[in-house]
Amino acid sequence: AQKVTQAQTEISVVEKEDVTLDCVYETRDTTYYLFWYKQPPSGELVFLIRRNSFDEQNEISGRYSWNFQKSTSSFNFTITASQVVDSAVYFCALSEAGSARQLTFGSGTQLTVLP
Amino acid sequence: DAGVTQSPTHLIKTRGQQVTLRCSPKSGHDTVSWYQQALGQGPQFIFQYYEEEERQRGNFPDRFSGHQFPNYSSELNVNALLLGDSALYLCASVRGGMIRNTEAFFGQGTRLTVV
Repeated sequence: AQKVTQAQTEISVVEKEDVTLDCVYETRDTTYYLFWYKQPPSGELVFLIRRNSFDEQNEISGRYSWNFQKSTSSFNFTITASQVVDSAVYFCALSEAGSARQLTFGSGTQLTVLP
Repeated sequence: DAGVTQSPTHLIKTRGQQVTLRCSPKSGHDTVSWYQQALGQGPQFIFQYYEEEERQRGNFPDRFSGHQFPNYSSELNVNALLLGDSALYLCASVRGGMIRNTEAFFGQGTRLTVV
């Protein structure tokens, strides 16, 4: 069975600090997809990034970067120079190849960026 | 281009009643999934509809049922409501049927409170 663990329940940082959100996953499939979503107070889940299991190239997009390591089953997310608007709940999710995009979510990390 | 829209935004029902939630997918999307998100938790997959048929189902009782219409919109029905059904119900849409390499777009959800 697939499982996603986000051990950090809440993180609080001061604006302009860097922050890393951890994600560890479990799956028996060799082909799978990993996602990060952001959920602001409005409730809508906003897609941030998707990675497939064959692509371990790490990515940087503006202030966001992702570190995918199959050896440790981790898919961590870093925000550089955090801003107050980054405050939200962040979810890591997994979709196995045979599940037609059924997403399994972690329990989320509440990020609070203080001014 | 309208994103995923859900109605109503908030709903209060009495235990034992029945409820219907509605979702219109993003333009060009033909597959709709429903998720239940209890307070402080990650979303849990309920089921997915494609070509007006239920294709995948999570670990939810038969009290939860759905429908997809020819225009790809979808309904989620919950019968015999329990207090534990109180949650944010999220609808997600994707393009391309069972193709597995695209991200899901989410609506803002329906907040259901059962009293």
